[in-house]
Amino acid sequence: EADIYQTPRYLVIGTGKKITLECSQTMGHDKMYWYQQDPGMELHLIHYSYGVNSTEKGDLSSESTVSRIRTEHFPLTLESARPSHTSQYLCASSVPGQLGGHEQYFGPGTRLTVT
Amino acid sequence: AQSVSQHNHHVILSEAASLELGCNYSYGGTVNLFWYVQYPGQHLQLLLKYFSGDPLVKGIKGFEAEFIKSKFSFNLRKPSVQWSDTAEYFCAVTPPGTPLVFGKGTRLSVIA
Repeated sequence: EADIYQTPRYLVIGTGKKITLECSQTMGHDKMYWYQQDPGMELHLIHYSYGVNSTEKGDLSSESTVSRIRTEHFPLTLESARPSHTSQYLCASSVPGQLGGHEQYFGPGTRLTVT
Repeated sequence: AQSVSQHNHHVILSEAASLELGCNYSYGGTVNLFWYVQYPGQHLQLLLKYFSGDPLVKGIKGFEAEFIKSKFSFNLRKPSVQWSDTAEYFCAVTPPGTPLVFGKGTRLSVIA
């Protein structure tokens, strides 16, 4: 079982502020992911990384950016928060399964509210 | 692009009723298949997974799922649900070399 930590768990900020959501994992997983999930809705992949210095955009267009300088750390940054960014942000990391697929483990999430 | 369809948005069952949640995917090649559960206020947890071998997979808390390749399906079942099974259930697929693709989820409400 992977240990994935996200901070803060809850955040309320004003429009225009710059914020960074932190995600760390202690299992040495190469692959990490950020999802956006509105309450009771599906998960949308916004960013992923397959290793240090590797980042890719996901299916959902996002105004956020990510970095992967260390294996265990995958922060997500919003340069200028807007009310439309209000959502829950889930971080995940994965281990390789058979046949090339990956089993993902999720953090507890950060619930962001932009006023 | 790959997609995952979950047929039911919200299912309401009485305790002890049997459960079957449908999941179909669109990818034609080899896939890994997963069911995740999200209890109210908690993070996503892996319920069960299929990589290869026996198409009937058993997971935690009495859940099982059957992979039917010809139907591109991976339905989740439980013979007798409990109130504590109330949660959101997500089916997910990962074709090799790509991130998980999730379905829209099915909310299960179990009433006494």
